Amino acid sequence: NAGVMQNPRHLVRRRGQEARLRCSPMKGHSHVYWYRQLPEEGLKFMVYLQKENIIDESGMPKERFSAEFPKEGPSILRIQQVVRGDSAAYFCASSIQGAGNSPLHFGNGTRLTVT
Amino acid sequence: DAKTTQPPSMDCAEGRAANLPCNHSTISGNEYVYWYRQIHSQGPQYIIHGLKNNETNEMASLIITEDRKSSTLILPHATLRDTAVYYCIVRLPIQGAQKLVFGQGTRLTINP
Repeated sequence: NAGVMQNPRHLVRRRGQEARLRCSPMKGHSHVYWYRQLPEEGLKFMVYLQKENIIDESGMPKERFSAEFPKEGPSILRIQQVVRGDSAAYFCASSIQGAGNSPLHFGNGTRLTVT
Repeated sequence: DAKTTQPPSMDCAEGRAANLPCNHSTISGNEYVYWYRQIHSQGPQYIIHGLKNNETNEMASLIITEDRKSSTLILPHATLRDTAVYYCIVRLPIQGAQKLVFGQGTRLTINP
């Protein structure tokens, strides 16, 4: 049973470009979460999605960031017009249910570098 | 989610049991206690979780006090590969409140 798959592992973008980060949840999981970890800082929640719906986006920056989890295919975190401050590791997690006793399982992240 | 308090760092000798404490004195009756760890540059790894009873799996044991205000994660025979930041998190089982909120954790160093 494959774990949470994120790609690319490393992504380099110039300021002003768009970054698209992909996350394939574990088989059978329909709940996806995105987290960001800035260099030398802790993990910060960004958004929680269930198939085709955004459930909680309280951690998403108000501009330039968007997320989707379509009926078919991976979840996508999109960052438009990237700036140097967007350089970070972005982790995706999935769970089989949305219940509090359903663990989140994380991927190994995408490391975004903005030059 | 209730806040947790963990020591910022701990050391343990290889082969010994590592006992990581966590205080969650404001935990409510239906909040779960979760433990994760993050080994440098990797994604957080789920370790174990529990509600009231002590739990054990192939990785660790979780001991929750009777009043549920604190817990201890036990790694029975620590190896060098257990060096990581360990996070204790309490989590509400409420629809729409499923996210995990990570604190600063405990940086555990296993020494040879």
